[in-house]
Amino acid sequence: NAGVTQTPKFQVLKTGQSMTLQCAQDMNHNSMYWYRQDPGMGLRLIYYSASEGTTDKGEVPNGYNVSRLNKREFSLRLESAAPSQTSVYFCASSADRAIYGYTFGSGTRLTVV
Amino acid sequence: GDSVTQMEGPVTLSEEAFLTINCTYTATGYPSLFWYVQYPGEGLQLLLKATKADDKGSNKGFEATYRKETTSFHLEKGSVQVSDSAVYFCALSKTQGGSEKLVFGKGTKLTVNP
Repeated sequence: NAGVTQTPKFQVLKTGQSMTLQCAQDMNHNSMYWYRQDPGMGLRLIYYSASEGTTDKGEVPNGYNVSRLNKREFSLRLESAAPSQTSVYFCASSADRAIYGYTFGSGTRLTVV
Repeated sequence: GDSVTQMEGPVTLSEEAFLTINCTYTATGYPSLFWYVQYPGEGLQLLLKATKADDKGSNKGFEATYRKETTSFHLEKGSVQVSDSAVYFCALSKTQGGSEKLVFGKGTKLTVNP
């Protein structure tokens, strides 16, 4: 089925460990996004990529890096995980304009202990 | 900056009750407005949208009207079902740095009891 695929679905890290969250879409969308969802905070934008080869910071970029590997894939990396990064992470993609709607992945639940 | 404020939850209703979830926004220019729904364990799905003032978005019995004079986009449904239990997010589109992004409210959890 067409859509956004995120891996892994669940992950537990120790403080200071690193990991990469993977995201891939097969809808030929130009724009891709990483959000984090925390209780009472809604969704906050971490990074986004308006097109292949470009990335920009969102609202809460500190502690994260991203790579737009090609048009399909947009990864999020935590270089040194901290407990404050415990969250549910969502990847999304959209056609050129947000008014066409975002397609979200099913999320990665990350716990940093 | 641009922002979305939606009513605090959780909201608990009985089946067939009338639903209203309030959403107001602050924005420069003329943003598009959206409602997204998140079912347990899933990502967000677009429920409905409106792109200009006085537009009414509708889907699956849900409706919302873009009211520029009150900067509001309240979500309504005349008769809710147990299957409508989910978290609902109001959002607006924002253009920044040449690209367009969505800004989300904090979400409102709805529980519908049989």
